[in-house]
Amino acid sequence: QVTLKESGPVLVKPTETLTLTCTVSGFSLSNARMGVSWIRQPPGKALEWLAHIFSNDEKSYSTSLKSRLTISKDTSKSQVVLTMTNMDPVDTATYYCARIQSYYDSSGYKNYFDYWGQGTLVTVSS
Amino acid sequence: DIQMTQSPSSLSASVGDRVTITCQASQDISNYLNWYQQKPGKAPKLLIYDASNLETGVPSRFSGSGSGTDFTFTISSLQPEDIATYYCQQYDNPYTFGQGTKLEIK
Repeated sequence: QVTLKESGPVLVKPTETLTLTCTVSGFSLSNARMGVSWIRQPPGKALEWLAHIFSNDEKSYSTSLKSRLTISKDTSKSQVVLTMTNMDPVDTATYYCARIQSYYDSSGYKNYFDYWGQGTLVTVSS
Repeated sequence: DIQMTQSPSSLSASVGDRVTITCQASQDISNYLNWYQQKPGKAPKLLIYDASNLETGVPSRFSGSGSGTDFTFTISSLQPEDIATYYCQQYDNPYTFGQGTKLEIK
């Protein structure tokens, strides 16, 4: 079955760089219809999309965070890595990775997050 | 960036009620809209994709409609297990979530 699991530090200091890893199973990162996104959610607040990467290495980033984010993948390890530089207390959030299904069918273009990891809470504090 | 405005931000309803949530996009997004359910402490779950397509395994009391800038999510008969926060999400360019609607039982 499809699973995604986030891993990384639970606590980072302000100005540090956060590195999160999403390890996937049940599908391949080389599948042309699929990608992986990172999405975060500050405590009690809404979801915020951060970045995505597809099998052809196409990448996209949130406009507001683009200068701080880097996404990459290691298909052989089934891992997607997100780095976020210059962490600040406002970046305290649960960080999720999610699988993207992206394809065209007879009724048009489809794109959705169909499987999610459990999330990992990252706290930014000195 | 495309902004998504959901309303209401919170909603209290009784078991068996018909519940409707709206989502408005700041520009035309065709039918490029999904709906998710998030229960406390859990990851979001896909309910509706492409504005009106029910994800496999999701109960038929959930439905979605709309296109362009105005979208609607409906629960035809509210059940106790539907207590959650619901989010719309556009995928036109590239992704934005609404601010969420917290649904409670009256």
